[in-house]
Amino acid sequence: AQSVAQPEDQVNVAEGNPLTVKCTYSVSGNPYLFWYVQYPNRGLQFLLKYITGDNLVKGSYGFEAEFNKSQTSFHLKKPSALVSDSALYFCAVRDFLNRDDKIIFGKGTRLHILP
Amino acid sequence: KAGVTQTPRYLIKTRGQQVTLSCSPISGHRSVSWYQQTPGQGLQFLFEYFSETQRNKGNFPGRFSGRQFSNSRSEMNVSTLELGDSALYLCASKQVSFFGNTEAFFGQGTRLTVV
Repeated sequence: AQSVAQPEDQVNVAEGNPLTVKCTYSVSGNPYLFWYVQYPNRGLQFLLKYITGDNLVKGSYGFEAEFNKSQTSFHLKKPSALVSDSALYFCAVRDFLNRDDKIIFGKGTRLHILP
Repeated sequence: KAGVTQTPRYLIKTRGQQVTLSCSPISGHRSVSWYQQTPGQGLQFLFEYFSETQRNKGNFPGRFSGRQFSNSRSEMNVSTLELGDSALYLCASKQVSFFGNTEAFFGQGTRLTVV
């Protein structure tokens, strides 16, 4: 079955520093990968997706993600963190196996940006 | 374009009662999925509806059910509530694409507390 793993429960970064939130995936076939962000007491907001094409995907709020097939990773990155980036981040994969069309989420990584 | 709307935002119910949650998808989106989010289990897939038919189902007991109407609006029902059903219930809608490359858009969720 398709799955994603987020190895870090929490990541702390100083404001202005670059940030990385890690995600690895396990899929059969070509992966469709997504990143979402969740602010307190809110639903999930779509940040970006990788379907095919360039390995560096640009998304909302200055975020980007790098798809690495050899390492089966899809890490989320931002060159300069803002305090307002503090939130819960989810990596997700589209499960197309057996024509199941559901999105499988990782457990989430809580990002703290320290002022 | 209006986003995904979930009602109510908050609910408090007693053990043994039943509850119905509602979700109105983005106009034109015919797929609606439901997720349960808890601190311990993360985001878990409940089921997905497309064209009034349940297309996928997660590993939840039969107390959890849903339906979709001809206007794509969806309801989720939980019967015989248990304390462990306390969670944030998220609804997501998406356009259905043959290539599976469309992202899901989430509502703000319904916070259910069972006492």
